[in-house]
Parts: sequence; structure tokens; C-alpha cells
Amino acid sequence: NAGVTQTPKFRILKIGQSMTLQCAQDMNHNYMYWYRQDPGMGLKLIYYSVGAGITDKGEVPNGYNVSRSTTEYFPLRLELAAPSQTSVYFCASSSIPGQGTLAKNIQYFGAGTRLSVL
Amino acid sequence: DQQVKQNSPSLSVQEGRISILNCDYTNSMFDYFLWYKKYPAEGPTFLISISSIKDKNEDGRFTVFLNKSAKHLSLHIVPSQPGDSAVYFCAASASFGNEKLTFGTGTRLTIIP
Repeated sequence: NAGVTQTPKFRILKIGQSMTLQCAQDMNHNYMYWYRQDPGMGLKLIYYSVGAGITDKGEVPNGYNVSRSTTEYFPLRLELAAPSQTSVYFCASSSIPGQGTLAKNIQYFGAGTRLSVL
Repeated sequence: DQQVKQNSPSLSVQEGRISILNCDYTNSMFDYFLWYKKYPAEGPTFLISISSIKDKNEDGRFTVFLNKSAKHLSLHIVPSQPGDSAVYFCAASASFGNEKLTFGTGTRLTIIP
């Protein structure tokens, strides 16, 4: 079971370069998310999507863009990389919580992409 | 404005003893809480959760306690094992906007053999 797959695992960018972080999930989940984790900090939500064609900003969206054309893929785009974007990026997905159940939003994470901007 | 707080960045516990990890929250709209475990170079993995209608949930060696009046939850691991050494994140969500989780900053747990 692949679950959530992120590529690449590591990347070094120069200031001003652009790149796309790839995320794919094979669980047919409606919801997908992008987080960043800085040292000693928790996960901060960058963007999220509740279904194909629908995206919304999270807590720290500046400097990033997303698209969601299919259920499976949710790429994150950095247009003009800055040193402040040096971080570990995690993609996650979850299904729509079941009606009438107590179980809610359990998110499943990829292994992360470690990005350095120099 | 940190709505979910884990005030202990690190914790060391002897193997076989109880590990207690704490989490406080400020948003009274939060009604579902989760604990995630993270090993180095891996993504967080779901460990255990609790709804606000309960005050305790158990799963094997892991128990989560919720004190709604104090806006406090804790994760108990008994007995602690070396494989439990990891970073533990507390997360919370609200029924409205339940597609989003708010995470704490994490506690690094080290189990001493």
C-alpha cells in the first residue's frame, strides 16, 4: 500500500528559482493538505483541498500555489524561492468523516520533502 | 497565537515506566483531538484520538485523557519501550471546519534502556 507519496525527498534551490513539490495518494481521499515544519515548530498548514478543483489557503500560504485537477494529485508550487522557505514539507490526505460516527479527520502523511533555499 | 500547546519540548523516561505527554488548547470550539507520532525522516503517523464526548480512550499501551474544563489532554504510554522514542504531536479540530487540524509544537520522547 503506497498511501501518500511525495517527491523529491530532498532538494536544494537557489534564491529566485522555482519548483513543484509532488504529492500523490492512492486512497481515493477527498481531502488533501500541504504543511511545512520548521525546526522546533509544529506543522503549519499552507494550503488544502476538499476535492478536485477546490483549494483554499491555510495558515501560511504566501509564496506558494497549489492546484488540484484530480483526486489523486496535489502539487505545491514555489514560484520565487526564498531562504524563509527552507523547511520540511509534508503532504497529507484524509477521507470525508463518516456521518454519525465519532471518528473524524485522521490525516495520513507522506514521508516529506526536505527543501533548502540558499 | 498558538491554539495548541505542548510545553515540554523533550521528555526522557526509563524503559518499562510510564510516559506522560501533555497538551493544552485554548480554542473552546475544538472537539476532537489526535496524537501523532513521528520518527526522523518519516511523516507523522496517527496514534490515537479522542472525541470531546469522552474523557478517556485506550488502545493497547496508549491511553489519552481529556479534561475539557481545563482544556487539557494527556497521552499515557505504559509500559514505555525503546521503539516509543519519537516526537509526539498533539492536534485538534473543530466540528465546523473539521477538515483542518491545528498541531502543537511536539514533544521529543526518549526512552532510556
